[in-house]
Amino acid sequence: DTEVTQTPKHLVMGMTNKKSLKCEQHMGHRAMYWYKQKAKKPPELMFVYSYEKLSINESVPSRFSPECPNSSLLNLHLHALQPEDSALYLCASSQPRRYSSYNEQFFGPGTRLTVL
Amino acid sequence: GQQLNQSPQSMFIQEGEDVSMNCTSSSIFNTWLWYKQDPGEGPVLLIALYKAGELTSNGRLTAQFGITRKDSFLNISASIPSDVGIYFCAGRNSGAGSYQLTFGKGTKLSVIP
Repeated sequence: DTEVTQTPKHLVMGMTNKKSLKCEQHMGHRAMYWYKQKAKKPPELMFVYSYEKLSINESVPSRFSPECPNSSLLNLHLHALQPEDSALYLCASSQPRRYSSYNEQFFGPGTRLTVL
Repeated sequence: GQQLNQSPQSMFIQEGEDVSMNCTSSSIFNTWLWYKQDPGEGPVLLIALYKAGELTSNGRLTAQFGITRKDSFLNISASIPSDVGIYFCAGRNSGAGSYQLTFGKGTKLSVIP
């Protein structure tokens, strides 16, 4: 199984809403990532989890709150977002850094988020 | 910071033609990855390269890791309509931030039937 799944596929939320994005992989990967992608731009890294611990936070605003409940799951909790946060949110996974020779990142299909 | 220059930015080709795109970096990478992204979908990994000079094929796709470790190219032979999409290169080094990929800005490929 070389698949990363993400739910929901689409999400529309108001600026006062609280919602969560979910990501799951069953490849035994121990590094998981959240990216944000605006139209016609490459993905931008937000967070990295390694062995279920937050390894990298790319100065992301606190209205985005990641969570890694176990080695297969990654969540992104959203609260009080702004319209400019509308984007495609991508999850990815890979082997962790100790296996640095083989850490291709596999991406999920993404969640298209619209903030009204 | 590291920058990747990916070219061309876009290209229109006739079905059946070969395609070539490349990425150059201001610094050395230990890994080069090539992804294809369809509209509204996540990037799909096409080819991974780990050694300078490495030439790897995946069907009609061929990619090479440049000898200087600062560049990579992707060739697509005999293009077909389903090759349409945005192709991203991504580089990674083994330094302190080695989880992080540096992405090119993408090459948008259009295939005319």
